[in-house]
Amino acid sequence: NAGVMQNPRHLVRRRGQEARLRCSPMKGHSHVYWYRQLPEEGLKFMVYLQKENIIDESGMPKERFSAEFPKEGPSILRIQQVVRGDSAAYFCASSLGQYNEQFFGPGTRLTVL
Amino acid sequence: KQEVTQIPAALSVPEGENLVLNCSFTDSAIYNLQWFRQDPGKGLTSLLLIQSSQREQTSGRLNASLDKSSGRSTLYIAASQPGDSATYLCAVRREGNKLVFGAGTILRVKS
Repeated sequence: NAGVMQNPRHLVRRRGQEARLRCSPMKGHSHVYWYRQLPEEGLKFMVYLQKENIIDESGMPKERFSAEFPKEGPSILRIQQVVRGDSAAYFCASSLGQYNEQFFGPGTRLTVL
Repeated sequence: KQEVTQIPAALSVPEGENLVLNCSFTDSAIYNLQWFRQDPGKGLTSLLLIQSSQREQTSGRLNASLDKSSGRSTLYIAASQPGDSATYLCAVRREGNKLVFGAGTILRVKS
């Protein structure tokens, strides 16, 4: 059973471009979470999604950031018009149910030039 | 607002030593507490998960305890090895399903 998959593992963007980060949860998991780890800081919750629904986006910046988890396919975290401060490691986690253990993917490291 | 603090921020020990990492949290209304390991440039590996009704969990050389009333958890590593060198993260889970992480303890075990 494959773990949580994230791609790309590394992403370089210039200021003003768009970044799309993908997360495929573990098989059978319908709950997905995105966390961000800024340089020299701890992981911070961004958003929690179930299939086709955003359950909690309290940690996500109101502008330029969006997330989706469609019925088919991976969850996508989209960052529009990236700025240097968006450079970070973005981790995705998935769980079987609402109160089950979260399993983390390897992360996507975004660098904004 | 839940805050999680980990002490020490960094720790360097000789191989073979037993060591304790500390985690404290401000709000005792948690569902569970989880300890993770993160290697440089890598993802998170779950080490131990303690439900709020439990007092401790053990896996191999690792033992984690939870005292919910005082807002504390400890991760005990027995007979440390160089391969244990990593950043150790503590996270608590509250209502709403999000994990709140501490800043981590950077552990270096010298051979």
